[in-house]
Amino acid sequence: DAKTTQPPSMDCAEGRAANLPCNHSTISGNEYVYWYRQIHSQGPQYIIHGLKNNETNEMASLIITEDRKSSTLILPHATLRDTAVYYCIVSPYSGGGADGLTFGKGTHLIIQP
Amino acid sequence: SAVISQKPSRDICQRGTSLTIQCQVDSQVTMMFWYRQQPGQSLTLIATANQGSEATYESGFVIDKFPISRPNLTFSTLTVSNMSPEDSSIYLCSVETGTSSGYTFGSGTRLTVV
Repeated sequence: DAKTTQPPSMDCAEGRAANLPCNHSTISGNEYVYWYRQIHSQGPQYIIHGLKNNETNEMASLIITEDRKSSTLILPHATLRDTAVYYCIVSPYSGGGADGLTFGKGTHLIIQP
Repeated sequence: SAVISQKPSRDICQRGTSLTIQCQVDSQVTMMFWYRQQPGQSLTLIATANQGSEATYESGFVIDKFPISRPNLTFSTLTVSNMSPEDSSIYLCSVETGTSSGYTFGSGTRLTVV
């Protein structure tokens, strides 16, 4: 079973920051928080991941609480192309691993024009 | 990162028949993964395929229904056997990248069984 809980859906206005929460209260000390997204009719796409520090890349920022029980993915300036299902996933591996991924239900983010 | 090509991209099949889905990667990878995504649902891991050994299946999936081949480090096939309408799903191939980005996914095969 997935170790994460996410709201089923969220709306965000185009141009605004989209903040997607994820609860992972049972995360272990060596587990990473990964975010993927799945745009309609495509395979999931990696966004970002982190262990305990906040992370930023060209796509998004990841804020992990100090107790690591929750995190927030931030898309700083959402566009219509960011409409997708966003999956928060906990994994013991950085860089893949032999177990694959356990997907939860994700959050369907809809960017409104 | 690796680029995955899946064939066919979609198909409509008669119940009772079988379909073989191909996954081709543009670089050598150790582990390949097959997922199923039922309509409106999330992805579920079917099995892990390691070159030169039998695939490892997740609970609820069996080799007779979903036989997998992994003849080399860049190719794998998944067969959906004796299909029923309940097998209508998107089937996705994935590989680990060996980098911090984790996994790369193919665009999937959309299967409809009638």
